[in-house]
Amino acid sequence: QVVLTQSPSASASLGASVKLTCTLSSGHSSYAIAWHQQQPEKGPRYLMKLDSDGSHIKGDGMPDRFSGSSSGAERYLTISSLQSEDEADYYCQTWGTDIHVFGGGTKLTVL
Amino acid sequence: QVQLVESGGGSVKPGGSLRLSCAASGFTFSDSYMSWIRQAPGKGLEWVSDINTSGSAIYYADSVKGRFTISRDNAKKSLYLQMNSLRAEDTAVYYCAKHCRSTSCYIDYWGQGTLVTVSS
Repeated sequence: QVVLTQSPSASASLGASVKLTCTLSSGHSSYAIAWHQQQPEKGPRYLMKLDSDGSHIKGDGMPDRFSGSSSGAERYLTISSLQSEDEADYYCQTWGTDIHVFGGGTKLTVL
Repeated sequence: QVQLVESGGGSVKPGGSLRLSCAASGFTFSDSYMSWIRQAPGKGLEWVSDINTSGSAIYYADSVKGRFTISRDNAKKSLYLQMNSLRAEDTAVYYCAKHCRSTSCYIDYWGQGTLVTVSS
């Protein structure tokens, strides 16, 4: 079964950029994923779907500051011009016919 | 715009039951694959159950199989989760989620969640 691995935490300064990583387990490097953002005390929000070739489909109203890219088994979410409201938990997700798998999430702190 | 509004959460004793509901609007509910996903306090997201557009294909996480039942009423644009034999480890916020199309896909919309607390 596919496993998604994320670093537990990340931090970057206001106005800077940060790159979050989601790693697919061995044998699953062709899988697409989705990125979701969860701000404190709120429900998750879909950010984008990200394919293995780096193409992505963003959610409604998602700012251009959010972008995605891929390399091998790694899927990246890059947030540029960091704002205070970007401080949140970020989860990656993949799916199959009868299952959804989530990464453990990365807590992003904006300094 | 797409809205998913959960209800039915609350406090229940171990072994008890609850029924969650999710009212959908702003999209063609009958054409959408749907899920329930939960999040225990301070923890990450855990998939609970999926249901296809007609309700003929249903899937559960091993942790809830045999205790939870997902269903839908397309005429009422509603999704349900019947939870029986509840355990302390079922304590979580439960989210209703819409898939991107009529088959299993990534989640493109989430509800705001409803809290279920199982405690004696």
